[in-house]
Amino acid sequence: DAGITQSPRYKITETGRQVTLMCHQTWSHSYMFWYRQDLGHGLRLIYYSAAADITDKGEVPDGYVVSRSKTENFPLTLESATRSQTSVYFCASSDRAGANYGYTFGSGTRLTVV
Amino acid sequence: GNSVTQMEGPVTLSEEAFLTINCTYTATGYPSLFWYVQYPGEGLQLLLKATKADDKGSNKGFEATYRKETTSFHLEKGSVQVSDSAVYFCALPPSGGSYIPTFGRGTSLIVHP
Repeated sequence: DAGITQSPRYKITETGRQVTLMCHQTWSHSYMFWYRQDLGHGLRLIYYSAAADITDKGEVPDGYVVSRSKTENFPLTLESATRSQTSVYFCASSDRAGANYGYTFGSGTRLTVV
Repeated sequence: GNSVTQMEGPVTLSEEAFLTINCTYTATGYPSLFWYVQYPGEGLQLLLKATKADDKGSNKGFEATYRKETTSFHLEKGSVQVSDSAVYFCALPPSGGSYIPTFGRGTSLIVHP
């Protein structure tokens, strides 16, 4: 199906474990983003990417790692999960930096760290 | 840099009531302006946009007018439905050399039957 797909939809993991959240888009959009959404904080940018092999830190990158070897994939890895990383994670993509076309979001991954 | 200020929620209305969600922005020049909606358990989706001053964006009965003199882009709907219950985000596209958009904090709307 065309669009932006995140997996898994729900994940429960233990403190200290590594976990990877997947994001796949089918439009060949250049720009991709990872956000976390928590009550009282709105959307906070974790990492972003302008193209394959080009990534950069956002507002809250600590404890996260990203890669982008292919344009369509932008996985987010929590190297050693902590309870403070319990959140809903959204991936987004855009062409032309979203100036006129806006951003497309995935359905999110709800991550619980116990 | 760019910034967006939205009214705090939650906004609680009865069905068929009139809705206004305020959004003001700070930006260089005259960027496009966006409203996104997030229904429960889903990601954000583009609701409407306006690309220049005095433009009115509209979709699903919602409207917003780009007011450069007041740097505002308030979201309105004449008669809300229970199905409009969601979180609404005002947003600016990237500016200058950045490609990071600016989102407001979001305003939760709860519509009661």
